[in-house]
Amino acid sequence: AQTVTQSQPEMSVQEAETVTLSCTYDTSESDYYLFWYKQPPSRQMILVIRQEAYKQQNATENRFSVNFQKAAKSFSLKISDSQLGDAAMYFCAYRRYTSYDKVIFGPGTSLSVIP
Amino acid sequence: ETGVTQTPRHLVMGMTNKKSLKCEQHLGHNAMYWYKQSAKKPLELMFVYSLEERVENNSVPSRFSPECPNSSHLFLHLHTLQPEDSALYLCASSQGRDSSSYNEQFFGPGTRLTVL
Repeated sequence: AQTVTQSQPEMSVQEAETVTLSCTYDTSESDYYLFWYKQPPSRQMILVIRQEAYKQQNATENRFSVNFQKAAKSFSLKISDSQLGDAAMYFCAYRRYTSYDKVIFGPGTSLSVIP
Repeated sequence: ETGVTQTPRHLVMGMTNKKSLKCEQHLGHNAMYWYKQSAKKPLELMFVYSLEERVENNSVPSRFSPECPNSSHLFLHLHTLQPEDSALYLCASSQGRDSSSYNEQFFGPGTRLTVL
């Protein structure tokens, strides 16, 4: 069975600095999708960034980028120039390529941004 | 309205009450989901509906009863709940039945449920 692990329950970063959130996963599949979701306090969960396993190039969305290491089954999220609005729970998630209906979520990392 | 909406946003109920949570998606998606989010626990997938057919039920107690009358609406009927059922209940939707796309899930704001 697939599992997703986030080893950092809480992280903090100084405003304007860079922070990296870790995620590892376990799967025997070769094709799959990986996601990072953000859930601000009392607000809706939204997709931050996504990556297809067969793509070697790391995904980037503005200040958010990933370091995808397929062999190591690692999918970390880097947030550059951190802003106060980045404070949230961040969830790493995995979906099998052929499974449209099931996403496995990690336990989450709570990110605080210090002014 | 756009996206995924949920009502009510907050609900307090006694253990003998019967209530329903409602979810509506305006994205033209074919799959809808119920998740339970408790403090310090990973998101727990409860139910999955694809084209109005329930395709997954993760050993959820029968006091939770889902209903999907059409591809845009999803309900979670609650009866004789326990205090440990207090949590944030999240609804999500996705395109479904299309493995060629990312098929990421779009979430609603959730219903904060408190069972007294």
